[in-house]
Amino acid sequence: NFMLTQPHSVSESPGKTVTISCTRSSGSIASNYVQWYQQRPGSSPTTVIYEDNQRPSGVPDRFSGSIDSSSNSASLTISGLKTEDEADYYCQSYDSSNPVVFGGGTKLTVL
Amino acid sequence: EVQLVESGGGLVQPGGSLRLSCAASGFTFSSYWMHWVRQAPGKGLVWVSRINSDGSSTSYADSVKGRFTISRDNAKNTLYLQMNSLRAEDTAVYYCARDPYPGALSAFDIWGQGTMVTVSS
Repeated sequence: NFMLTQPHSVSESPGKTVTISCTRSSGSIASNYVQWYQQRPGSSPTTVIYEDNQRPSGVPDRFSGSIDSSSNSASLTISGLKTEDEADYYCQSYDSSNPVVFGGGTKLTVL
Repeated sequence: EVQLVESGGGLVQPGGSLRLSCAASGFTFSSYWMHWVRQAPGKGLVWVSRINSDGSSTSYADSVKGRFTISRDNAKNTLYLQMNSLRAEDTAVYYCARDPYPGALSAFDIWGQGTMVTVSS
C-alpha cells in the first residue's frame, strides 16, 4: 500500500499564490492520475483538479495541478487567493492494488 | 440536475447494524461505478467501498472488509451500504460518490450531502 502525504495546514494572504504538495510514498506519482478535492466547512467535497492537471467546468483557472516525478509528488497551486478559497484540500490517487487512496488533507487559511 | 442523496444514518449501539441508501437522479445510474467514502468528525476522507456498474464486482477497505456490504439496485437508481458489527470507530459522515471512470482509474465527480452514523452505547 502507498500513502499520500500532505502538509497539515498552509496559510497565505488574499491575492497571493499558495501551493499544496502531495507526496506519494511508493510507486511513481506519474503512474496514476491525481485528483484534488476542495471541502468547505460543513459541505461535501467537490473536484477542483482531475487527471493531474485538468479543471472541471466552473472551476476558475486560478486553480492548477501538476506532478513532479523528481520529488514523486503532485501539487495544487491556487493563485490570486480569495477568502472563499479557505477550505480543506485533499489529494487522491489509486493503483492496481489500492482502488482509492486519499491524502490526509490540508487546511488552507486565507488571512 | 445530477444528484446523490444519502439516507439511513443514525445512532446505533456497538455491534449493531445499519443500512445506508444513496438515491441517484439526473444521470444514467446503471452506467457508473459508485463508491462510499466516510469522514470521522474533524478528520479526513477515507475510502470505504466500491461497486462496478452492474454490481458484479466490489472492493472494500481492510477496515470494513467482512462487516460492510455494498450493493446497488439499478432499477431503483439506488446504492446501498449494509453495515454490520458496527464499532465506535465507524462513527462518521458517510458520502456516496460517483466515479466518472470505469475500471482501475478511480475518481469522484459527484458527491452526496452525506449521512451521519454514530456508534455509541
